[in-house]
Amino acid sequence: DAKTTQPPSMDCAEGRAANLPCNHSTISGNEYVYWYRQIHSQGPQYIIHGLKNNETNEMASLIITEDRKSSTLILPHATLRDTAVYYCIVLIIQGAQKLVFGQGTRLTINP
Amino acid sequence: DTAVSQTPKYLVTQMGNDKSIKCEQNLGHDTMYWYKQDSKKFLKIMFSYNNKELIINETVPNRFSPKSPDKAHLNLHINSLELGDSAVYFCASSQPPGAVTQYFGPGTRLLVL
Repeated sequence: DAKTTQPPSMDCAEGRAANLPCNHSTISGNEYVYWYRQIHSQGPQYIIHGLKNNETNEMASLIITEDRKSSTLILPHATLRDTAVYYCIVLIIQGAQKLVFGQGTRLTINP
Repeated sequence: DTAVSQTPKYLVTQMGNDKSIKCEQNLGHDTMYWYKQDSKKFLKIMFSYNNKELIINETVPNRFSPKSPDKAHLNLHINSLELGDSAVYFCASSQPPGAVTQYFGPGTRLLVL
């Protein structure tokens, strides 16, 4: 699976959009970009995933560059409950998923 | 109502003991996983079962033995506990093929003294 690089920490003001970057320059053509988050002391939570096109769901938007070497997770109106560690993961969808978590980005939403 | 549940939530025990952690999912998924999160907060997969069959077995000491009595349950038995086994253990489940989402349990915090 391709490796990902994320900033170790970020801050965002409550109510503003939080933009979390991820570099995955060695991603292969059939690898998807997944985002999970882990709120303190809880199990990881799936947020969104995509292959080439930008994706949006009720939680977030995912913007993938045309060359697919990087992506950005956008939380449009961050709340204090969005404070968490966010993980960007790339992998092929086939059978059982072996999620490989890196260090992630610790996002702090400030009031 | 809980999708993936684990028992116990906390487990404090002495070195050398044998302990088990239980996991149950009511999502009807075929695949279940065990992950370990150490003190440095790195999450690593340990095992995965699909329909009671072991399909992923990472480099884990053989003191760790998963058991799946049915596809809704995946238990983790640990023999001869060591200090380094102290961690948070998360169970998860998914429904392949094309399993895009793994649902995680709340975790079991194991402390070995």
